[in-house]
Amino acid sequence: NAGVTQTPKFQVLKTGQSMTLQCAQDMNHNSMYWYRQDPGMGLRLIYYSASEGTTDKGEVPNGYNVSRLNKREFSLRLESAAPSQTSVYFCASSEPPPLHFGNGTRLTVT
Amino acid sequence: EDQVTQSPEALRLQEGESSSLNCSYTVSGLRGLFWYRQDPGKGPEFLFTLYSAGEEKEKERLKATLTKKESFLHITAPKPEDSATYLCAVQADQTGANNLFFGTGTRLTVIP
Repeated sequence: NAGVTQTPKFQVLKTGQSMTLQCAQDMNHNSMYWYRQDPGMGLRLIYYSASEGTTDKGEVPNGYNVSRLNKREFSLRLESAAPSQTSVYFCASSEPPPLHFGNGTRLTVT
Repeated sequence: EDQVTQSPEALRLQEGESSSLNCSYTVSGLRGLFWYRQDPGKGPEFLFTLYSAGEEKEKERLKATLTKKESFLHITAPKPEDSATYLCAVQADQTGANNLFFGTGTRLTVIP
């Protein structure tokens, strides 16, 4: 079992560029999450999806959009990247907590 | 305000030197408390769930305990491979995914 898989592992963007972070889980979980992790701060929830077809904002949703493509896949899109979005992004799934995390995407916006 | 505070921020131990990490929380009703281990460049790896005061869980050299205001992660005779950041998360008794609060972690270094 792969668990939660995230792609890409690393990405460098210029301000204003767009990109989509991909996440897939093979544990048949209903709930999926996107978090960002910044130095000195706890994991902060960006968006979550309680089940296929539903998405809700978390603590820090501004500048992001999400798509729950099917039960397995949950993507995070940055339409116009800003330096403040430089972070490590983690996808997670649960049925119910504890959450199971992927290994992250390290994003740098210059 | 719901929050989770972990202490110390960093801890250096000699191999075999036992110690404890602290996670204190203030939430309006506790549904569960979770401990994770995070290695550099990796995602958090689930260790334990605790649900009620007095509960204890053990795994190898790690033992997690819970009171009404805090949880401790006791590390007995640590080895260098126990070096990692340990995260605590608390699920409050309210609906929605915004009910999960993470601490900033304790970075543990075990010196051979």
